[in-house]
Amino acid sequence: AQSVTQLDSQVPVFEEAPVELRCNYSSSVSVYLFWYVQYPNQGLQLLLKYLSGSTLVKGINGFEAEFNKSQTSFHLRKPSVHISDTAEYFCAATNAGNMLTFGGGTRLMVKP
Amino acid sequence: DTGVSQNPRHKITKRGQNVTFRCDPISEHNRLYWYRQTLGQGPEFLTYFQNEAQLEKSRLLSDRFSAERPKGSFSTLEIQRTEQGDSAMYLCASSLDMAGGYGYGYTFGSGTRLTVV
Repeated sequence: AQSVTQLDSQVPVFEEAPVELRCNYSSSVSVYLFWYVQYPNQGLQLLLKYLSGSTLVKGINGFEAEFNKSQTSFHLRKPSVHISDTAEYFCAATNAGNMLTFGGGTRLMVKP
Repeated sequence: DTGVSQNPRHKITKRGQNVTFRCDPISEHNRLYWYRQTLGQGPEFLTYFQNEAQLEKSRLLSDRFSAERPKGSFSTLEIQRTEQGDSAMYLCASSLDMAGGYGYGYTFGSGTRLTVV
């Protein structure tokens, strides 16, 4: 079964600095990968997804992620963060099955 | 398209009572999923439907949990004899199953927050 690990539970960063949120998954067989953002008391919003093709995926709000099969990673990056990016971020994966497996989440805290 | 709608947004119930949550998916989506999210954790898969058929239910947490999607449209999740450990956010998601079905991702609702006192 697929498992997803988000290596950092919290990431503090100053506004306009770059950020990387790390995600590792367990199985590369037919894997599809996603990043979601969750604001307080809200559901999950899709940031970006990797299904196939180019390993660099661009999403909404200036985020991007790179699929690295050899390192079984799918790290999320943004070159310059804003206060409004403060939220919980979840990495998720599925092996062409029907169940998304989520990581434990990373709380991004952007400081002025 | 109004997205995935979940009702109620919040539910407070006494231990031992039964509760039912409703999810209305995006109308053209044929798959519907239920997840549970406890504080500080990622969502945990519970069950899913393709149209009205419940294709996976082994992850339901106990026999107190059940879900239905009678006409392949909205779904309900029922918890019988609630316990304090059932307090969590219950999330619903939908997707379109088309050649793998992941092209559109999974669209999540805002969730129902259950508090058992």
